[in-house]
Amino acid sequence: SSGLTQDPAVSVALGQTVKITCQGDSLRTYPANWYQQKPGQAPVAVICGNSNRPSGIPDRFSGSSSGNTASLTISGAQAEDEADYYCNSRDSSGNHPFGTGTRVTVL
Amino acid sequence: DVQLLESGGGLVQPGGSLRLSCAASGFTFNNYAMRWVRQAPGKGLEWVSAISGGGGHTNYADSVQGRLTISRDNSKNMLYLQMNSLRVEDTAVYYCAKEGYIVGADRYYYYYMDVWGKGTTVTVSS
Repeated sequence: SSGLTQDPAVSVALGQTVKITCQGDSLRTYPANWYQQKPGQAPVAVICGNSNRPSGIPDRFSGSSSGNTASLTISGAQAEDEADYYCNSRDSSGNHPFGTGTRVTVL
Repeated sequence: DVQLLESGGGLVQPGGSLRLSCAASGFTFNNYAMRWVRQAPGKGLEWVSAISGGGGHTNYADSVQGRLTISRDNSKNMLYLQMNSLRVEDTAVYYCAKEGYIVGADRYYYYYMDVWGKGTTVTVSS
């Protein structure tokens, strides 16, 4: 199955650390990318290839992967990190499904 | 400056057709694969389709296979999505995205959507 599952919502206190997970069989084989989307805006990549940060992404964003689970960690969450986060990978058919999405609220 | 600009969205009746366009600028278009991603109102992101840089290889989500067709004109730096037999559930904002890559610390190439357009809205309704 190419389905990628995420928790629907998490909250984090300002300055604290939050970890978002993404589960799916394809993650055992293919790396995960993570996208941040704020209301009314196009998504922006924050992590690619499980743990690499694109240029311009703050180092408080980090990623990892083990087995069928990929994780995105925000260390020292800021108010501007409040957004929806989606994992994305590929499957053996060459498709590129997204996860179900996680809404992060910064308290 | 690398830019993608979608156009062609609008209101269409169920069973109708529409062609979306995505104008690319600021990079060597034919060197990069391209993708379409959509987002229904209040819902998550859904990958729709992808096409290789030369246009010879395409992939589609099961939900659109046989109804939507991705294509590109590298001489015009344009990406297209021909949408036929449209359904109410195709209502969404449609984004085009460029497939870029990053070289990881392990020297592997990791591909991801590095540039996105602002999207164009398709509404399928009677």
